[in-house]
Amino acid sequence: QVQLQESGPGLVKPSQTLSLTCTVSGGSINSGNYYWSWIRQPAGKGLEWIGHKYTSGSTNYNPSLKSRVTISVDTSKNHLSLKLSSVTAADTAVYYCATASYGDYAFDYWGQGTLVTVSS
Amino acid sequence: QTVVTQEPSFSVSPGGTVTLTCGLSSGSVSISYYPSWYQQTPGQAPRTLIYSTNTRSSGVPDRFSGSILGNKAALTITGAQADDESDYYCVLYMGSGLWVFGGGTKLTVL
Repeated sequence: QVQLQESGPGLVKPSQTLSLTCTVSGGSINSGNYYWSWIRQPAGKGLEWIGHKYTSGSTNYNPSLKSRVTISVDTSKNHLSLKLSSVTAADTAVYYCATASYGDYAFDYWGQGTLVTVSS
Repeated sequence: QTVVTQEPSFSVSPGGTVTLTCGLSSGSVSISYYPSWYQQTPGQAPRTLIYSTNTRSSGVPDRFSGSILGNKAALTITGAQADDESDYYCVLYMGSGLWVFGGGTKLTVL
């Protein structure tokens, strides 16, 4: 059973870059046909898909965030990473990593989430 | 910009049946969007209930069912229980590696 755990700074200053890591256990990030994804949720609001890295290496991003987002994979560490540049208070949210399978396109495994606050 | 619509809130009596829907601001939802549904309680990560329109995720009680009703995806809870009081989200796969979440429905059981 795949398990996901997010980690990273809980506080980021405005205009800086938010960087998070998702550690994958119970499976290899380099095998299968999975969309290794990031999803966020501002307090009291709904879920927003940020983007993914597919096992084959391709990436896709939410068009509204595309200019600021980079998602990458470190296969040697079995890590998924998120970088979001030029952050503002609107980027304050709980950030989840999750995985979806090719063919059913549902997010079947989720991390616990990590809160990132953007504030000076 | 595609908007996925959900009822902001819904109420159901214990033991009752409720159907939550998931639509598109423009167009109809079909199985080609692979609608999936998630349950979220405060402070917790979402839990997958339904995927590919109507397939229950492992361990999900059969009182939860998914379907296409008219031009929307639907989540029906039959025999609602107190611990079904949660936020429910749908997400649609738009193709080309893109997903869009609905705004969520807050379900009250009272």
